[in-house]
Amino acid sequence: EIVMTQSPATLSVSPGERATLSCRASQSVSSTLAWYQQKPGQAPRLLIYGASTRATGIPARFSGSGSGTEFTLTISSLQSEDFAVYYCQQYNNWPSFTFGQGTKLEIK
Amino acid sequence: QVQLVQSGPEVKRPGSSVKVSCKASGGTFSSYAVSWVRQAPGQGLEWMGGIIPIFTTATYAQNFQGRVAISTDESTSTDYMELRSLRSDDTAVYYCTYSLYSGSPPDYWGQGTLVTVSS
Repeated sequence: EIVMTQSPATLSVSPGERATLSCRASQSVSSTLAWYQQKPGQAPRLLIYGASTRATGIPARFSGSGSGTEFTLTISSLQSEDFAVYYCQQYNNWPSFTFGQGTKLEIK
Repeated sequence: QVQLVQSGPEVKRPGSSVKVSCKASGGTFSSYAVSWVRQAPGQGLEWMGGIIPIFTTATYAQNFQGRVAISTDESTSTDYMELRSLRSDDTAVYYCTYSLYSGSPPDYWGQGTLVTVSS
């Protein structure tokens, strides 16, 4: 089983600043990596797939990068609505998936 | 626009079973996959298993092997997840998800179904 590890567990950033979230896979997943945003009481929302492609309707301030085992989600200028929990997910052996444990992005 | 509507909350006794349904509307589906993901209170997301309906064979996470069954009824566009031998740590919100295209991650999620296991 591919294990996904996210860091940090909690990230405190001020509105308007940049946030950088990391995700590492225990073995290569090529570019089959997605990022989700989850707000309290809501289902997760797909932000990024293919490691770097924004899903429909996702603002350009969200960007993804990486391949193989190291991935990054960057939010260029944090808006109030961006404070949430973010999960990475690998889907290299579709339709089997594994998620990272999440990074909570909180207001500094 | 694809919509996934799940069945309502459940309260179950330890040792019993629960079957959650997920009805899809608003799209035509061909090479799609259905996955079930759960989230215990205050915890992260856990993939339970998935099925590609045109192949009918489900694949399950190791943690749930032998306890979970995922199925689909294409005639009614409804999918099911049954979890057996429930324990208190199965208390969670259970989500159905759709990956609309072969090889794509889940891009549509149901609203979630809270299953509470308590004696």
